[in-house]
Amino acid sequence: AQTVTQSQPEMSVQEAETVTLSCTYDTSESDYYLFWYKQPPSRQMILVIRQEAYKQQNATENRFSVNFQKAAKSFSLKISDSQLGDAAMYFCAYRRRAGANSKLTFGKGITLSVRP
Amino acid sequence: DTGVSQNPRHKITKRGQNVTFRCDPISEHNRLYWYRQTLGQGPEFLTYFQNEAQLEKSRLLSDRFSAERPKGSFSTLEIQRTEQGDSAMYLCASSPGKERGYTFGSGTRLTVV
Repeated sequence: AQTVTQSQPEMSVQEAETVTLSCTYDTSESDYYLFWYKQPPSRQMILVIRQEAYKQQNATENRFSVNFQKAAKSFSLKISDSQLGDAAMYFCAYRRRAGANSKLTFGKGITLSVRP
Repeated sequence: DTGVSQNPRHKITKRGQNVTFRCDPISEHNRLYWYRQTLGQGPEFLTYFQNEAQLEKSRLLSDRFSAERPKGSFSTLEIQRTEQGDSAMYLCASSPGKERGYTFGSGTRLTVV
C-alpha cells in the first residue's frame, strides 16, 4: 500500500519570503503522479502543482516549484515570494498511474501561516 | 459551469439517525469520487464511480454507508444509523478522465451528537 508522510504539522513564513514544505512517500510502483493541494479555510481543495514520476524535470507553476527526488521518495514544495493568500493547509498526495481508478492518497497536511 | 456542488454544507444529526448528502459534479466529468476528512487529517478515499458504475469501495465504507450515482449524473452518499465516529467532512470530487486532475467540492460537514 502507498503511504504519504508530512511530518511537519505547522509552518510559518514572513510575507515575501520563501518557504519549503516537506513530503515523503512510500510505494513499490515506478510510475505515478505526485500532487500538492491547497485547502484554504473555505475548505475547497485546489490543485497547486503536479509532478509525473517519469519526468526528471521538477514542475513549476509561477511562484510554486517542487523538488522531486525519486530515489529518496521525497517531494517538497517551495513557495517563493509568499503572499497572505498562501495561508492554508497544504496536502501532499500520491496517485498510481496504472489501473482504472485514479484515487488519491493524501498525507496529513501542513498548516501554513503567513506573517504580514 | 459552477464547479462541483455539494449539499448541504453542514448537517447536524442525532446518533442513530440516517443522513444523505448530495454531490453534483461538473457536467462533462464521468468520474466521481467521495472522500472523508476528519479533523487534522488528510482526506481518505471512500468510493469511486465511473459514469453510473461504482467501481471501487474502500474498507472504510462499512455496510452502513451506501453511495449511488443514478444515470451517471449527481451522486448521493447515505449513512444509516449514524455514530459519533462518522463526524467528519465529506468531500466529493469529479474528473473528466483518468489522466486528468480532480475538481473538489466544498464538502459537507457532518456532526453527529
